[in-house]
Amino acid sequence: GAVVSQHPSWVICKSGTSVKIECRSLDFQATTMFWYRQFPKQSLMLMATSNEGSKATYEQGVEKDKFLINHASLTLSTLTVTSAHPEDSSFYICSALPGEITEAFFGQGTRLTVV
Amino acid sequence: AQSVAQPEDQVNVAEGNPLTVKCTYSVSGNPYLFWYVQYPNRGLQFLLKYITGDNLVKGSYGFEAEFNKSQTSFHLKKPSALVSDSALYFCAVTWANQAGTALIFGKGTTLSVSS
Repeated sequence: GAVVSQHPSWVICKSGTSVKIECRSLDFQATTMFWYRQFPKQSLMLMATSNEGSKATYEQGVEKDKFLINHASLTLSTLTVTSAHPEDSSFYICSALPGEITEAFFGQGTRLTVV
Repeated sequence: AQSVAQPEDQVNVAEGNPLTVKCTYSVSGNPYLFWYVQYPNRGLQFLLKYITGDNLVKGSYGFEAEFNKSQTSFHLKKPSALVSDSALYFCAVTWANQAGTALIFGKGTTLSVSS
């Protein structure tokens, strides 16, 4: 199947700093990318949907100024957690959809720990 | 509102026995249905999908799922469970909306297969 690469796999940062997570589709063009947040033993909470070249659509309750999403090309989307705080510690997962509706392909996730 | 329900937090089966993980959905229009599996600290792996056609779809690792339109269900099944099937399973729905493509998940069901 298609490959989505998410980087970094894990990151530890100090409170108040910003962290950027990259999501790349390696062998297909992703018209749509999704960013999810997952708490331990819980489901994936959709944070935002991004379409290439347009602003991301954020879910209710997700601060767009805190979680900056950029989908600059058909193969790359980035999530920047700005001014991170310990409560932002979580597992973040991206997924990508090719142009047609089919199964989504997922990155391996990023474990963010804010200390 | 569109939703996906997985009524069981956990399913326990003995190795060699059949397993069923339940999923129901509430989506207007024509949804596409998926099952994914997640191992600890990993992204999601695609198992199978229903787009159209045969209601019984077969996927990876011997899993299959039956689409039932009248009951709006898409239960995941396997005739003979393996200990290695123990993981977190998510049912997901994709559909086209005005914003593009939407993708939501059920809360997840932990499958535990005992030897």
